[in-house]
Amino acid sequence: DSGVTQTPKHLITATGQRVTLRCSPRSGDLSVYWYQQSLDQGLQFLIQYYNGEERAKGNILERFSAQQFPDLHSELNLSSLELGDSALYFCASSVGGAVTEAFFGQGTRLTVV
Amino acid sequence: EDQVTQSPEALRLQEGESSSLNCSYTVSGLRGLFWYRQDPGKGPEFLFTLYSAGEEKEKERLKATLTKKESFLHITAPKPEDSATYLCAGPVNYGGSQGNLIFGKGTKLSVKP
Repeated sequence: DSGVTQTPKHLITATGQRVTLRCSPRSGDLSVYWYQQSLDQGLQFLIQYYNGEERAKGNILERFSAQQFPDLHSELNLSSLELGDSALYFCASSVGGAVTEAFFGQGTRLTVV
Repeated sequence: EDQVTQSPEALRLQEGESSSLNCSYTVSGLRGLFWYRQDPGKGPEFLFTLYSAGEEKEKERLKATLTKKESFLHITAPKPEDSATYLCAGPVNYGGSQGNLIFGKGTKLSVKP
């Protein structure tokens, strides 16, 4: 158990809908990272938050947004969902803003139908 | 462009047959090279961090080594439970401070009894 908790584990939704994925980092970790993993792609970095502020942005679509709350948990919001958004979404956390070891949650499997 | 490349894409071994996985990187100002193990449908599990050329780290049947341009994950006398995808990653350099991890596509290892 990495100590990173993601909910829900599975999500099935229709095209055009909006969903929210939740992540609780390990105790003491200030950084949260979101990654997307689809079958034909490796782990793609979406966005990083450090102590409540956006730190780095990857190839995150404009339909996607994230935030980190004062208690350090984070939410990834996906809207106007398309079939191609079906993927595993992982959250990871690390102690500081600069990456040392990042620990991953078990992921949320999103299926858009 | 920062890039992490892993080879081979897939590797099939007989139980007890030792081998090595390769990770080459072109991440500018690389500050750390990370190895993870990922089981199907699960989050990546942190294995090792290597920081300087010549460094080696071991865990059970796995040994990771680092040169200036590549890293190897040596698997000695593997067992079927070592079957997984092994991911290599390096931190992207944001103006001198490390940012998120960029991942290779992984090597899928299958160990047959």
